[in-house]
Amino acid sequence: AQKITQTQPGMFVQEKEAVTLDCTYDTSDPSYGLFWYKQPSSGEMIFLIYQGSYDQQNATEGRYSLNFQKARKSANLVISASQLGDSAMYFCAMRVISTGTASKLTFGTGTRLQVTL
Amino acid sequence: DARVTQTPRHKVTEMGQEVTMRCQPILGHNTVFWYRQTMMQGLELLAYFRNRAPLDDSGMPKDRFSAEMPDATLATLKIQPSEPRDSAVYFCASGLSNEQFFGPGTRLTVL
Repeated sequence: AQKITQTQPGMFVQEKEAVTLDCTYDTSDPSYGLFWYKQPSSGEMIFLIYQGSYDQQNATEGRYSLNFQKARKSANLVISASQLGDSAMYFCAMRVISTGTASKLTFGTGTRLQVTL
Repeated sequence: DARVTQTPRHKVTEMGQEVTMRCQPILGHNTVFWYRQTMMQGLELLAYFRNRAPLDDSGMPKDRFSAEMPDATLATLKIQPSEPRDSAVYFCASGLSNEQFFGPGTRLTVL
């Protein structure tokens, strides 16, 4: 079975600073993908970034980067130059790529990020 | 700007009533997912379809829930009869390969 662990229920960061949101995962499957989603107070789920288990480089998307450490089974999200609009709930998720079950996501419990002035 | 749409956005109903939630996936996406989000359980996968065929609905209570894709532009999730414990936000998502794009969700309250 797959499991995603987010140990930080809440985080505070000052505007313009960088913040790291932690995510560890557990799977015995060698082929998997890791995702981060943002859920603002409006409730929608917004895809942020994706990292494949065989990708050689860490994924980056604008101010978001994924610090992928395969041996430690961690996939931390780094947000640089935080903005007030980054205040939201952030979910880490994993997709195990195996026959017949591709694309199903398992989510962590989320981290609530609050950006302050 | 292609988006997943869901209707209704909010639904309040009484216990025992039938509830139908609808989802229009992004045109061209071949995989559709239904998730449920509650404070207690977080985000749970209920069912998903690929090319309109159900691949996995093990997360769905079979006695009262049903999910269908009558065509490529419509996915439905039905609860009959509804119970107060079904109160949650139900998300539909669609995708092609790695990414999943979520709809705005249907907030269901069962009294």
